[in-house]
Amino acid sequence: GDSVTQMEGPVTLSEEAFLTINCTYTATGYPSLFWYVQYPGEGLQLLLKATKADDKGSNKGFEATYRKETTSFHLEKGSVQVSDSAVYFCALSGEAGGTSYGKLTFGQGTILTVHP
Amino acid sequence: GAVVSQHPSRVICKSGTSVKIECRSLDFQATTMFWYRQFPKQSLMLMATSNEGSKATYEQGVEKDKFLINHASLTLSTLTVTSAHPEDSSFYICSARDRDHEQYFGPGTRLTVT
Repeated sequence: GDSVTQMEGPVTLSEEAFLTINCTYTATGYPSLFWYVQYPGEGLQLLLKATKADDKGSNKGFEATYRKETTSFHLEKGSVQVSDSAVYFCALSGEAGGTSYGKLTFGQGTILTVHP
Repeated sequence: GAVVSQHPSRVICKSGTSVKIECRSLDFQATTMFWYRQFPKQSLMLMATSNEGSKATYEQGVEKDKFLINHASLTLSTLTVTSAHPEDSSFYICSARDRDHEQYFGPGTRLTVT
């Protein structure tokens, strides 16, 4: 079945540092890939997504590129802020027509803490 | 943006009792809602897909008689944990899917069974 593996956290960075959170997946065909963010006390929010190979999703300075050859979707940000402190989840949804289409499979989440 | 609420945010109940959790899409209609369960330091696990006006579809290993799901309207789905036991203690999260197939998540409900 589908699966998502994220780098284990927690990740602690100083403000303005470079961020990478690794994410790899296992799925048949061409799933859609997502990064969700959960701020303290809030529900998950979609951060960015990519629906086909080589697509780059971006939002709020975060980027991730859909790499079919390495089955990866690593999240990056060039300069993190204290307000980026949250839990980040990588997820996939199976390709259209498949049994897992529309259903999200999540990684285990990575806690990011950014210090001033 | 689209907002999904859950009620209650946390609940404590005694073993053997039943607990109902509500999930509402506040500013859009959702023919499909999802229920997830999250254990500490683990990812969200999909429990079931709730379809308005029809029976829910449960994932493998999820007891449908224990986790009753009702999706009676386009803005409300409920999850009832029946005869709850301490092992049912968890964080339950719902999401609602809009017409563009985007999923919006509720803030979650912390269930503690004593």
